[in-house]
Amino acid sequence: GESVGLHLPTLSVQEGDNSIINCAYSNSASDYFIWYKQESGKGPQFIIDIRSNMDKRQGQRVTVLLNKTVKHLSLQIAATQPGDSAVYFCAENMGDSWGKLQFGAGTQVVVTP
Amino acid sequence: ETGVTQSPTHLIKTRGQQVTLRCSSQSGHNTVSWYQQALGQGPQFIFQYYREEENGRGNFPPRFSGLQFPNYSSELNVNALELDDSALYLCASSWGLAGGSQETQYFGPGTRLLVL
Repeated sequence: GESVGLHLPTLSVQEGDNSIINCAYSNSASDYFIWYKQESGKGPQFIIDIRSNMDKRQGQRVTVLLNKTVKHLSLQIAATQPGDSAVYFCAENMGDSWGKLQFGAGTQVVVTP
Repeated sequence: ETGVTQSPTHLIKTRGQQVTLRCSSQSGHNTVSWYQQALGQGPQFIFQYYREEENGRGNFPPRFSGLQFPNYSSELNVNALELDDSALYLCASSWGLAGGSQETQYFGPGTRLLVL
């Protein structure tokens, strides 16, 4: 079936650098996307979301870009900090209006000093 | 913190047993979704409850069932436990409208279930 997937399972970033996490989706009917951060032993934490009528949205140190033409989603983290080390998931709605989510496998971000 | 709480935090069961997991939604939220997260994978949607009614179900067998109470808290029940049911079970709460609305889902810390 259609699914959300991530290109890189692990991303190593030097502290202070910018991080870019990529995500490919295949459900063309999806119109709502969310990025979550999950630290070890915790539940997913909401970072930022974007709807399909937008191609860019900014939060605090984070930016999400949506390219519907190639079905690609990315999360940019500015000035990556040690506290940003976690697994990052992109999720898409499952084609209905209730926001039931379909998650990718996740990308492990490791911030090195 | 999201305000979504789950209990217990950890649980060990044996094959064939039954388990009940609990979730208290964030204040003001009327929708609860349950997800199963196997080790090293993303969460998989189990089902969603809106105003005490099931509002969609993922690819899980009927031995996975749930309830939502008038205060919008929720339970996940799993009968006839199998080894593959070992996972982190997450609930997420959100605000839903009768016509359907995509509102952000906020997750609890999860319940870690181990089936031996």
